[in-house]
Amino acid sequence: DQQVKQNSPSLSVQEGRISILNCDYTNSMFDYFLWYKKYPAEGPTFLISISSIKDKNEDGRFTVFLNKSAKHLSLHIVPSQPGDSAVYFCAASASSGNTPLVFGKGTRLSVIA
Amino acid sequence: DVKVTQSSRYLVKRTGEKVFLECVQDMDHENMFWYRQDPGLGLRLIYFSYDVKMKEKGDIPEGYSVSREKKERFSLILESASTNQTSMYLCASSFSGEEDTQYFGPGTRLTVL
Repeated sequence: DQQVKQNSPSLSVQEGRISILNCDYTNSMFDYFLWYKKYPAEGPTFLISISSIKDKNEDGRFTVFLNKSAKHLSLHIVPSQPGDSAVYFCAASASSGNTPLVFGKGTRLSVIA
Repeated sequence: DVKVTQSSRYLVKRTGEKVFLECVQDMDHENMFWYRQDPGLGLRLIYFSYDVKMKEKGDIPEGYSVSREKKERFSLILESASTNQTSMYLCASSFSGEEDTQYFGPGTRLTVL
């Protein structure tokens, strides 16, 4: 059973518009959430994270929103650029135990010029 | 700056060969991980290690083993490579702690013929 779900395998957005990538989780013990970006033939790179004590974290064009009651988080990219085209993975962990990150299956974002 | 390196970017092996994939990190991280990434399946955890000489099975350990003799090095071993082990292999490392951001290497694209 998938504990972290990214229900959209792909997303297309025009350059300059907002990209919104969504992620849902089922384990209420998760309290730390991360987004990774992956280009083909490269390893994932850490993008942004959020702790469960916050509901928003911002870093430049990237903002992550956390809705704990809905067990939902989203990544907003504004404005989207062609270089943002990549696969984005959502991940979650529970700090109470020494357990690895749990990853979603990824969403492929295409930003069209 | 965290650096995780993997011994090869591309590797071609024959069915039945023993394959070693090496990973080295230079940040004194306690934790190290091996994943494989396949289209539509996301990142799947093979094995991980929280300390030298310790190992834990991930979600798909069958057909693999690991070795961690030194803190900075984590090796993935395919005892007898098979065609269904053709994949992108990703190594990651992290500190132990509540916010355990993992940092990934560039990946090894393994093809088993």
